[in-house]
Parts: sequence; structure tokens; C-alpha cells
Amino acid sequence: GAGVSQSPSNKVTEKGKDVELRCDPISGHTALYWYRQSLGQGLEFLIYFQGNSAPDKSGLPSDRFSAERTGGSVSTLTIQRTQQEDSAVYLCASSLLLYTDTQYFGPGTRLTVL
Amino acid sequence: KQEVTQIPAALSVPEGENLVLNCSFTDSAIYNLQWFRQDPGKGLTSLLLIQSSQREQTSGRLNASLDKSSGRSTLYIAASQPGDSATYLCAVRNSGGSNYKLTFGKGTLLTVNP
Repeated sequence: GAGVSQSPSNKVTEKGKDVELRCDPISGHTALYWYRQSLGQGLEFLIYFQGNSAPDKSGLPSDRFSAERTGGSVSTLTIQRTQQEDSAVYLCASSLLLYTDTQYFGPGTRLTVL
Repeated sequence: KQEVTQIPAALSVPEGENLVLNCSFTDSAIYNLQWFRQDPGKGLTSLLLIQSSQREQTSGRLNASLDKSSGRSTLYIAASQPGDSATYLCAVRNSGGSNYKLTFGKGTLLTVNP
């Protein structure tokens, strides 16, 4: 079946512009997660959704970052007024259940802020 | 705060060798541990997930062990092939507090030479 998909695969933007990154989880997966992988850094957890709810937003790097999920399915990560340090690969994952299941990752969106 | 360390950071072996990748974590209170593979420019592929109550998991030429009390896991790859070349990531999910996210190591870059 279809895995987690993300779009766009690559995004180049100018500093100060807003960007939206999209994630389509595996159908039926209730939990959805966003991570960031910066050059030379490990994967950094950003935010998770249980259904449409994001109980903990403390992992978001700044208030320029926001995320939403609608219909228990598609999620959008929005970065406002992008900065060069936002350049990274943004990975989305989903799992059937929140706490114990395998997380399945999408291919990621590579964001480059010039 | 959970910290995950992977040793070595990089490993190069000739085809056919058996090899071991190491992962250690500082907080033994975990739900599970997951090994992933990441190919250049791609997302993460889940290889094995070990629940905290388990000691090991096997899939084909891969065997992962878990010693929760000592905070260690190993990924054993038998009869390595050039197609095994990738970055291997270890991630743990804590059993308390922020138990919805994975904490990743920085990975081991494996190169299998023909």
C-alpha cells in the first residue's frame, strides 16, 4: 500500500518568505509526527498529532513554526519569515497507534533558505 | 533527558563481512528501540523494532539485540552486501514523560565495498 508522502520534495526559498510543507500519512494512522534533520545534526523532534490535536508544541524551534492537521489525515507544517538556519530536511512520520507502534517515515522535504 | 549515541560514526568493510553497529542510551526507561536505515537523499526505512520486554529481533540477515538495563543495543548484519551501504540510525521511545517521540542517535555511515 501507499506509504507516507510529502510535498514538495525540494523547496528553495528566499529569506523572509513563508513556506508550507505537506504530509500525507498512511491511511488509518492516527498519529503523525514531524522531525527535522539538519546538516551534521541528528533528527530533531518537532511536533506530533494524535488525531487532529497537537498536545505538545514545545519542540517547535520558534513561534515562526506552526503545524496543523485536518480530518485526521493531511498535515501542514508552516514556517513564517524563513531564516537560513531553517534550512534542513523536514521529515514526517505516521504510526497506527501513538505509543508503541513502528513509525513510518516519508521521503522528506529538503528546504533551502537563501 | 534521553541521549542516544552511536558508535562508530562511520564504518567501511569488504563485502561478505559480518558487522556490528552499536547504540547506547542514557535513560533505560524506554518503551521500545527502533533501527532505521537512511539512503542518501531519502527518508528513513524501519528495519527492526524491539519492545522493552524483548531481547532481540531478527529479519533476514539483520539481528538487533536490546539490553535495556545497561542501555545498549546492537545491530548485527550478516554477510554484508554493497546494497547495505547506507546510514543506520538507532532511536528510542521513552516510557515516561515525552513518550510520543523518538530520540535519535546521529547514525553510523556504513560502506560495504565490492
